[in-house]
Amino acid sequence: AQSVTQLDSQVPVFEEAPVELRCNYSSSVSVYLFWYVQYPNQGLQLLLKYLSGSTLVKGINGFEAEFNKSQTSFHLRKPSVHISDTAEYFCAVSDGGGSNYKLTFGKGTLLTVNP
Amino acid sequence: NAGVTQTPKFQVLKTGQSMTLQCAQDMNHNSMYWYRQDPGMGLRLIYYSASEGTTDKGEVPNGYNVSRLNKREFSLRLESAAPSQTSVYFCASSESSSYNSPLHFGNGTRLTVT
Repeated sequence: AQSVTQLDSQVPVFEEAPVELRCNYSSSVSVYLFWYVQYPNQGLQLLLKYLSGSTLVKGINGFEAEFNKSQTSFHLRKPSVHISDTAEYFCAVSDGGGSNYKLTFGKGTLLTVNP
Repeated sequence: NAGVTQTPKFQVLKTGQSMTLQCAQDMNHNSMYWYRQDPGMGLRLIYYSASEGTTDKGEVPNGYNVSRLNKREFSLRLESAAPSQTSVYFCASSESSSYNSPLHFGNGTRLTVT
């Protein structure tokens, strides 16, 4: 069975600092990986996804993530954060069956950007 | 562009009461989903509808029922609410149920059962 571990429940950073949100997964088959973002009082929206090909994927709002198969990781990074990046970030994995209803979400990482 | 619309935004129920959460999407999507979000638990799938006319159980279906009324609407019903169903409920839709089709979420319904 697949699972997702987000290693930090909260990450506080100062504005313009770099940030990395960590995500590890376990699966016995090939996977598809996603990062979703939830701004306060809103639903989730897709930030970026890895399906195949280049292991470095770029998403919206300057975020990027790197798929590392040997370390079973899919960490999210941004070189310089803004106050508006304050949100909860969810890593998700879908196994080789590839259906949305088999998507497993992590527990989330709350990113707080302070001035 | 409304996207996915959920009603109501907030609801307080007493134990044993029933209610229906409504969800409608205007993107002509085939697949729709109901999730619940609890602190420190991430999102868990309650039910989904891969296409109009079909519904299937997700990870945590007990205590819930769903109806895919038409292509646009997918409702979630609590027949006899319990405090354990206190949560934030999200409806989502996608063009298809394939992993390649991103989920679009509504803004959620915050439900408290006392």
